[in-house]
Amino acid sequence: EVQLVESGGGLVQPGRSLRLSCAASGFSFGDYAMSWFRQAPGKGLEWVGFIKSEAYGGTAHHSASLKDRFSISRDDSKSSVYLQMNSLKTEDTAVYYCVRDENFLSGNDYDYWGQGTLVTVSS
Amino acid sequence: DVVMTQSPLSLPVTLGQPASISCRSSQSLVYSDGDTYLNWFQQRPGQSPRRLIHKVSNRDSGVPDRFSGSGSGTDFTLKISRVEAEDVGVYYCMQSTHWPKTFGQGTKVEIK
Repeated sequence: EVQLVESGGGLVQPGRSLRLSCAASGFSFGDYAMSWFRQAPGKGLEWVGFIKSEAYGGTAHHSASLKDRFSISRDDSKSSVYLQMNSLKTEDTAVYYCVRDENFLSGNDYDYWGQGTLVTVSS
Repeated sequence: DVVMTQSPLSLPVTLGQPASISCRSSQSLVYSDGDTYLNWFQQRPGQSPRRLIHKVSNRDSGVPDRFSGSGSGTDFTLKISRVEAEDVGVYYCMQSTHWPKTFGQGTKVEIK
């Protein structure tokens, strides 16, 4: 069974940093890209970024509006993907989802989602 | 960025009746390989999104056959043939053809 379990969320003050983790199981992690999405309270879904598997170079792409502050990385030996968030703002308050993706577009993207972890940015 | 526009944003439906959600993109979603990467997601209250449909009309495993997707180019539709109570939630279309990936605003389906 595919499982994606996010952790690391919580309450953080504006301007501080936070690192989210996502532990994957139930599939061959190294064969898949991974993505992060977020959803502000009562709002819609927003793509945060994407990272290819290490076998394909581990290259990451981030939302243009977030790339100066957010950074995705992964460790295929630990079947884990991370989201480093710096200089957090109140508008970054959201549930952050870890999602299975694909290295090359074929229609098998976003088929599994984690349960999400809530990040609240407030003083 | 590709803008995805859904309508309606709110959809009250009687149990057992059909429902239809429209999704329009600001540019064609046909990729260089000839396929169209348009997904539909369901988000039930308090749950994570779940993919229902990929590449316009391909139903995901475990998705009831009352859900169907159709469309081409810039104009897409999600249909529920007979709405059941478990279908309550918000439905999003999302395009994967272009970077960045973008979603529609969401359509809230509720029972009358």
